[in-house]
Formats: sequence, structure tokens, C-alpha cells
Amino acid sequence: DAKTTQPPSMDCAEGRAANLPCNHSTISGNEYVYWYRQIHSQGPQYIIHGLKNNETNEMASLIITEDRKSSTLILPHATLRDTAVYYCIVRLNYGGSQGNLIFGKGTKLSVKP
Amino acid sequence: EAGVAQSPRYKIIEKRQSVAFWCNPISGHATLYWYQQILGQGPKLLIQFQNNGVVDDSQLPKDRFSAERLKGVDSTLKIQPAKLEDSAVYLCASSFNRGTGAYEQYFGPGTRLTVT
Repeated sequence: DAKTTQPPSMDCAEGRAANLPCNHSTISGNEYVYWYRQIHSQGPQYIIHGLKNNETNEMASLIITEDRKSSTLILPHATLRDTAVYYCIVRLNYGGSQGNLIFGKGTKLSVKP
Repeated sequence: EAGVAQSPRYKIIEKRQSVAFWCNPISGHATLYWYQQILGQGPKLLIQFQNNGVVDDSQLPKDRFSAERLKGVDSTLKIQPAKLEDSAVYLCASSFNRGTGAYEQYFGPGTRLTVT
């Protein structure tokens, strides 16, 4: 079973920041928080990951709370193309089976004009 | 850089027939995954290969599903015989060890299977 809890859906106005929350209260010390998204009829796409520090890349920012029990993915200026299902996944950073991705149902983000 | 390629994109078969899906991972990616995604759910891992060896196939229904990765590059997933509940999108993904400990997976577009 997925080790994260996400709201099933969220709306965001185009051009505004989209803040997607994720709870992972049972995360262990060596587990990372990964975010993927899946645009309709496409395969999932990697967005960002982090351990305990906040992270930023060209797609998004990841804010992890100090106790690491929750995190927020921030899309700073959402566009219509950001409409997708966003998955928050907790995993070990290994290439073997211990590091496999376990997807939940994610959050369906709808960006509206 | 070319992405993960999958074919066919769509397939419709009758129950009890067999079907095969093909995946070509990103060049140089040693690890290959097959996932099943049922409508409205997240992808579920079926099997993971490291080069041409199986790392994890604990969720593969081995009575009807099989997969192989000859020569550690392309892979084929087969279902024989298909059941109605096998209707899903079958996703292939690949990853490599960056050396930083990160193992992002790169996904193909998937094959949508409809079993009637």
C-alpha cells in the first residue's frame, strides 16, 4: 500500500501557484519523498525528489517539513498544461526492489483559465 | 535523447486470447520495469529487471503473465490467456544509477489493452 495521503482533487487558476500537499507520517529516516505527475494518456513523469532539505528545479519546488511527516509540491505559475494527476511517493533511494515506486491514487490537479 | 518506446499503443483482444507488448528502454538504462495501471488507479509494478535478470516479480500473476528481457535491452510482456480484468494500460519504465543515489524512472506512453 502507498505510504502517503493526498487530497483526491484540487483546482488552481492559471498563472497562480499550485500547492499540492502530501502526508507521509510514517516515513523513515532514509526514505526520500518523490513526486511524479501523469498527464492524460501519457506515462508518469518525474518532477522532483528530496530527503529533508527543500529542493527546487526548473519544474517545481519541494518543501518538506522539519519533522518530515508532510511535504508540499509547489508549481509557481501553473499553466493549463500542468493539469494532471500528481503522485507523492515515499521510497528508499536504492535501485533494487527496496526502492520500488508504490503509487497511490494521487491528486488530480485541474488548472482553469 | 530518445525516450522509452512502447508498441503497440492500443490493443483489443477477446478473453482467452494471448497478447504481447514490447518495450525499448532509454539507451544505457540497466533497469527496466513493467507496470499495470487500471483505470482510476496509480500504476502497479509487475516486474523489475536489472540488465537481463529479474529483480522483483512478486506481483506478476505468473499463471498467465510472463516477461523477458533478452540481451538486457528490449523487453516483452506477454499475457496468455487474457481475462477481462487484464484490461488496463501497461507501462514500461527504465532507470539508471546516476551515482548520486537518485533513481528517477522514465516512463513510456503505455499500451492500452482492452479485453472483450
